Amino acid sequence: EDKVVQSPLSLVVHEGDTVTLNCSYEVTNFRSLLWYKQEKKAPTFLFMLTSSGIEKKSGRLSSILDKKELFSILNITATQTGDSAVYLCAVEESGTYKYIFGTGTRLKVLA
Amino acid sequence: DVKVTQSSRYLVKRTGEKVFLECVQDMDHENMFWYRQDPGLGLRLIYFSYDVKMKEKGDIPEGYSVSREKKERFSLILESASTNQTSMYLCASSLSDRLGWGYTFGSGTRLTVV
Repeated sequence: EDKVVQSPLSLVVHEGDTVTLNCSYEVTNFRSLLWYKQEKKAPTFLFMLTSSGIEKKSGRLSSILDKKELFSILNITATQTGDSAVYLCAVEESGTYKYIFGTGTRLKVLA
Repeated sequence: DVKVTQSSRYLVKRTGEKVFLECVQDMDHENMFWYRQDPGLGLRLIYFSYDVKMKEKGDIPEGYSVSREKKERFSLILESASTNQTSMYLCASSLSDRLGWGYTFGSGTRLTVV
């Protein structure tokens, strides 16, 4: 059965800390992996990863994919209270247009 | 700005009622999806549609049905609401392209069944 597992389930840090969120997957015919940030409402898109070893960056956030070991990490440096959210990882099975989601990591950043 | 609009942010319904959750997108996307999101369980796929009048069951279709009469609108129907259907419901849409560009989500409907 296809599955996506995120760890940790929750995390509390102080402003300025660096955090690493993990996503491992077992999906038949992998095509892409997405990271989303979800605050009060709709998840918002962060990154799409399709190739191993190529880092995607957006400001203080970065992500990388390892297709051999079947995982991805999302790094957030110099965290701010506005980074507090649930971070979702989702993996697409090729040809289906469907994404399988992990349970998410709830991040809380304290001032 | 492209949008996926869900008609209600919060709904409270009684057990046994028939409930309609509406989702409209203005991006001409072919694919539309309904998920429910529960603590500790993440997002689980209920139903999806790749085209008008077409529907496919997701992982947890029991107790639900869907309707897609027009490309932009995808409705989720709870035939007889039960308390275990209390949840956050998220609608999403996407394009059918070679890369698979991911979803655009609606803001969600938090449904409480009492």
